[in-house]
Amino acid sequence: KQEVTQIPAALSVPEGENLVLNCSFTDSAIYNLQWFRQDPGKGLTSLLLIQSSQREQTSGRLNASLDKSSGRSTLYIAASQPGDSATYLCAVRPVETSGSRLTFGEGTQLTVNP
Amino acid sequence: GAGVSQSPSNKVTEKGKDVELRCDPISGHTALYWYRQSLGQGLEFLIYFQGNSAPDKSGLPSDRFSAERTGGSVSTLTIQRTQQEDSAVYLCASSLTGLAAYEQYFGPGTRLTVT
Repeated sequence: KQEVTQIPAALSVPEGENLVLNCSFTDSAIYNLQWFRQDPGKGLTSLLLIQSSQREQTSGRLNASLDKSSGRSTLYIAASQPGDSATYLCAVRPVETSGSRLTFGEGTQLTVNP
Repeated sequence: GAGVSQSPSNKVTEKGKDVELRCDPISGHTALYWYRQSLGQGLEFLIYFQGNSAPDKSGLPSDRFSAERTGGSVSTLTIQRTQQEDSAVYLCASSLTGLAAYEQYFGPGTRLTVT
């Protein structure tokens, strides 16, 4: 059964720092991996989607990488801002369930201090 | 265009009552998903619809939970005889098709509290 782990569980940084969030998954048989952002009391906002054949995706100050064979992904946030404060969730789409669902990690709660 | 919408945004109900949660997917999206987010359990998959049929409902936790989708659009998740452990945020997502390559877009969720 696919399991997704995110480290660290919480992170607090000063404004302007570059930071890396980590995601690992136990079964490399995935269709893709998606990073989401969740603000308190809100739904999920999709940030980046990386297909299994891709190595990375970029959007603005965000860069996500995927190493499928080792079961790892990182989300790099450049020049962090207080508005980046949120919980970041990583999710994979496992082949074992025919891609019908996302399997989520527990999330990393990020606080960027002004 | 409009995103995924869910109603109600909050629902408080007494133990033993039935509740219905509604999801309106993005127009034209044929695939629809329900997830549940609870403390200590993270985000869990419940059920997947392709059109009006549910090829995967393996995540429904008990036979008190059911869902339907009509007209290939709106979906309703029904919980019968609610229990306190059903308290959670119920999230709905949709995607253009059920093919794995397509991104899922989430609604704001319904926060259910069972007292």
